[in-house]
Amino acid sequence: SQTIHQWPATLVQPVGSPLSLECTVEGTSNPNLYWYRQAAGRGLQLLFYSVGIGQISSEVPQNLSASRPQDRQFILSSKKLLLSDSGFYLCAWSFRSLNTGELFFGEGSRLTVL
Amino acid sequence: AQTVTQSQPEMSVQEAETVTLSCTYDTSESDYYLFWYKQPPSRQMILVIRQEAYKQQNATENRFSVNFQKAAKSFSLKISDSQLGDAAMYFCAYNARGGAQKLVFGQGTRLTINP
Repeated sequence: SQTIHQWPATLVQPVGSPLSLECTVEGTSNPNLYWYRQAAGRGLQLLFYSVGIGQISSEVPQNLSASRPQDRQFILSSKKLLLSDSGFYLCAWSFRSLNTGELFFGEGSRLTVL
Repeated sequence: AQTVTQSQPEMSVQEAETVTLSCTYDTSESDYYLFWYKQPPSRQMILVIRQEAYKQQNATENRFSVNFQKAAKSFSLKISDSQLGDAAMYFCAYNARGGAQKLVFGQGTRLTINP
């Protein structure tokens, strides 16, 4: 069976510090990968998605970047955090070859920027 | 661009009663998927139910069922015999068939179950 893990679960960072959130998927190959952000009391906004190694598409202009150094690894980064980067970040994956439309989500990472 | 609208920020229901959560969407596509996801306090998103647009029959999963009205672009979720464990944020989501399979979410409805 497939599993997805993301870490850290909770992070408190000062403004201007760097960020690295990591996500890995196990039990499948060539997944599509996604990073979503959920602001307090809001819906989910798609930040980045990737259909393959090194292939990153950004959905919204922002202070964040994403990388996919390996097939099942997806990293969300920032060089200098802003207060507005606070939120709950969710990594997700979907089958690339089997088009079910469904995304499978990780446990999430709560980021607080002070 | 596709949009998903949930007009009920909060809903409450008595335990064992039935509640319906509303969702409308806008798309020019004819083939797509619709989903209801549940986000309990643990914050992990859990799939509740899935509907394929080309299927006229409404999806059902145990106590959860949908009313899919394609022409009206409406996709409501009915929860029967509500249980305390159903308390969560519920998100309606849309995904066009094909491409990168990007889910578009509504703003969510917070469901409270009163004992």
